[in-house]
Amino acid sequence: DSGVTQTPKHLITATGQRVTLRCSPRSGDLSVYWYQQSLDQGLQFLIQYYNGEERAKGNILERFSAQQFPDLHSELNLSSLELGDSALYFCASSVGGGGASYNEQFFGPGTRLTVL
Amino acid sequence: KNEVEQSPQNLTAQEGEFITINCSYSVGISALHWLQQHPGGGIVSLFMLSSGKKKHGRLIATINIQEKHSSLHITASHPRDSAVYICAVRTLYNTDKLIFGTGTRLQVFP
Repeated sequence: DSGVTQTPKHLITATGQRVTLRCSPRSGDLSVYWYQQSLDQGLQFLIQYYNGEERAKGNILERFSAQQFPDLHSELNLSSLELGDSALYFCASSVGGGGASYNEQFFGPGTRLTVL
Repeated sequence: KNEVEQSPQNLTAQEGEFITINCSYSVGISALHWLQQHPGGGIVSLFMLSSGKKKHGRLIATINIQEKHSSLHITASHPRDSAVYICAVRTLYNTDKLIFGTGTRLQVFP
């Protein structure tokens, strides 16, 4: 158990809908990262928040957004869902937020999203 | 061409065999991670290294920064080692972003 929790574990929804994925980082970790793992693209970095502020952005679609709350949990919002958004969405957390410092990331169990 | 390449893509072994998975990258990095993903989907961080060699139990990870290459070795492999092993790098210009290899699927048979 990494100490990172994600809910829900599974989510099945229809095209055009909007969903929210939730992540609680390990106690003491200030950074939250979101990743998407699809069959054809593998694991891809979406976005990172550090202590409530966006720190780095990857291949995140405009239909997707995220935020980190004062209690450091994070939510990833996916809207106007398409079939191709079906994937495993992972959250990870780390103590720090970049620079040259050591920053091991601990992964949550993932949310499996199926868009029908 | 992907910035992080792994080989082989698939690997089968008999229990007890010594296993090597390779990772090559084309960008400057600050660190390299080896991750393990089990069939259920969960990801576990095995190693993070920026130079030399690390060992944890039957797992050994090495990195050669000059050659931009890392290897993950499993000694005395066991069926419970069956998983996908993923190499990921943290680049010099964005140390928070991980770039992932496509993974190596390992199956160890008893």
